Order: sequence, then structure tokens, then C-alpha cells
Amino acid sequence: EVQLVESGGGLVQPGESLRLSCAASGFTFSNYWMNWVRQAPGKGLEWVANIKRDGSETYYVGSVKARFTISRDNAKNSLYLQMNSLTAEDTAVYYCARDRGDGYTVGHFDSWGQGTLVTVSS
Amino acid sequence: EKVMTQSPATLSVSPGETATLSCRASQSVSPNLAWYQQKPGQAPRLLVFGTSTRATGIPARFSGSGSGAEFTLTISSLQSEDFAVYYCQQYSSWPLTFGQGTRLEIK
Repeated sequence: EVQLVESGGGLVQPGESLRLSCAASGFTFSNYWMNWVRQAPGKGLEWVANIKRDGSETYYVGSVKARFTISRDNAKNSLYLQMNSLTAEDTAVYYCARDRGDGYTVGHFDSWGQGTLVTVSS
Repeated sequence: EKVMTQSPATLSVSPGETATLSCRASQSVSPNLAWYQQKPGQAPRLLVFGTSTRATGIPARFSGSGSGAEFTLTISSLQSEDFAVYYCQQYSSWPLTFGQGTRLEIK
């Protein structure tokens, strides 16, 4: 069974940093592109970033470019999101999501974690 | 960036009836359109991809259709577990974008 478990969320002040983690199990992690998708309280879904199977390519939504960095460690079956210069607009539940494509990206997501809440407030 | 617009924002339908949810893209995204279902406190679940292909384990009462920039998710014979929020998502180009969601509620 595919499992994705996020961790690392919490309350931080504006301008601070936070690193999220996602532990994957139940599938060959290194075969899949991985994503972060967020959802502000009471709002819709926003794709944040994704990373190729080997980590050689990454893509971001414009609002987080130069502030967030997605990475992965295939030996540890783990996905990360380093978030710097956080603002109130980054407050959201952050989901780790697997791209449905096995070996290539298809751009939609067939497995999701339960999410971790990031709150940016002074 | 391709903007996805869903309508209506809220849809009230009685159990056993059919719900029709719409999604419009600012440009053609066909056939790269997916639908997700999200229940309160839960992660989204993939229902449909490629406009009309049901994901693994999704009942046949969920069907997707459309082309170009206009898409529809039809849910027939609504069951109690179908009342949730539904999102469409385009994956024809980056950034990947979602619609704002349609809340399907019990009438």
C-alpha cells in the first residue's frame, strides 16, 4: 500500500524558515516524480513544486520561486521542501503527492499524504 | 498560466439524482484534465484523468467528458459518500493549476 507521511509543519513567524519532509513507502520511490501541493485554510488546492525521479529537474509555481526548494533522497525514500522567507500567504496545509506516471511525469496525482499544517503568524 | 474556473461554486442535489459539474480553462488543455474529490479533513482523491479515464477503484457512476477548454464531471445515482468538494486540474502546461472547487451538497 502506498503511504506518504508528511512532517515538519508548525507555527513560524514571518521571514522565518521551515523544512517539510515526506516519508514514502509501499512503492519504488525513485521511479516517480513527486510534488508538493498546498491548501490555505478554507481555500482550494495550489500546486507548489515538483521534482524529477533523480532530482535533476525541479519546477515551481511563481509565488514560491527563489524562496522554496524541493529536494529528495531516494536512498531514504524521502521528499523535502525547504521554505524560506515565509509570509502569511504561505499559511496552508502542505500535501506530498505522487505523480501517477511510473517512470515519467503525467502531471496529476494518484497518491496523497494527509498533509502538514504550516502557520505563518507573528 | 492557465486559469481554471469551476461552476457552480455550490451544487445542491438529492441522493439518487445526477450531478453535473463544470470546469472551464482559459485556454485549451485537452485532454490533460483531471478531477479530484476532497472530503472534510481528508486529502484529495484522484477520480478522473485524461478528461475521461477513471482512476483505479473509482465507481462507474463518475464520468468525465469534454474537450478543448470545456469539461464536465457527471456523477449519476448520487450516494451519500459523494457529497464533497470537487476540483478540476489541468496538466497541459506548468504551472499545474486547479479550479477553485465545486461543493456538492445534499439537497
